[in-house]
Amino acid sequence: EAGVAQSPRYKIIEKRQSVAFWCNPISGHATLYWYQQILGQGPKLLIQFQNNGVVDDSQLPKDRFSAERLKGVDSTLKIQPAKLEDSAVYLCASTPDASRISGGYTFGSGTRLTVV
Amino acid sequence: AQTVTQSQPEMSVQEAETVTLSCTYDTSESDYYLFWYKQPPSRQMILVIRQEAYKQQNATENRFSVNFQKAAKSFSLKISDSQLGDAAMYFCAYRSRGGATNKLIFGTGTLLAVQP
Repeated sequence: EAGVAQSPRYKIIEKRQSVAFWCNPISGHATLYWYQQILGQGPKLLIQFQNNGVVDDSQLPKDRFSAERLKGVDSTLKIQPAKLEDSAVYLCASTPDASRISGGYTFGSGTRLTVV
Repeated sequence: AQTVTQSQPEMSVQEAETVTLSCTYDTSESDYYLFWYKQPPSRQMILVIRQEAYKQQNATENRFSVNFQKAAKSFSLKISDSQLGDAAMYFCAYRSRGGATNKLIFGTGTLLAVQP
């Protein structure tokens, strides 16, 4: 089966600009996650979707970050306006069903964002 | 709140030798999952091994095995017969077993170098 697809792979923007990342999960996976991985740290969950509904966005900086998952398939994560501290790798992951999974997630290769 | 601690920022091992990566965690829950993920330079997180907390038997996957000490809240990864391809960042992760939110909580990672 195809893996989790993410684009772009790299992005460099100036502070105060906006940026968007795209994720296409594995076909049929109901649950989609966005993680932020700052250099030297482990990934941190930003938002979790179950189909097209939000399950957990407690760590999403809602004043500048937004995410949507229209039709319960692919998802877009947006930052507007970007700050220097948003420089990180943004990882997308998916699972068949959050309530029933017993294993790990399937991750994409991430988008490396550099804010200058 | 659950936390995961990896106290070894970097480790090095000779090819064909054995290395152990350490991980401790803190939780008040009795049922959960623990994982080791590998992150090569490609950035994609790859599941190495998984342990279910209610199982006393330590998980093994080919050259990878864990030492799970539930009372001590310790979860170390042993890599036997190390290969050059094992060089990567390794993350320990925790996930609750129940509930709708099944986010992974990661440690800060251990960078493993394999010397030829």
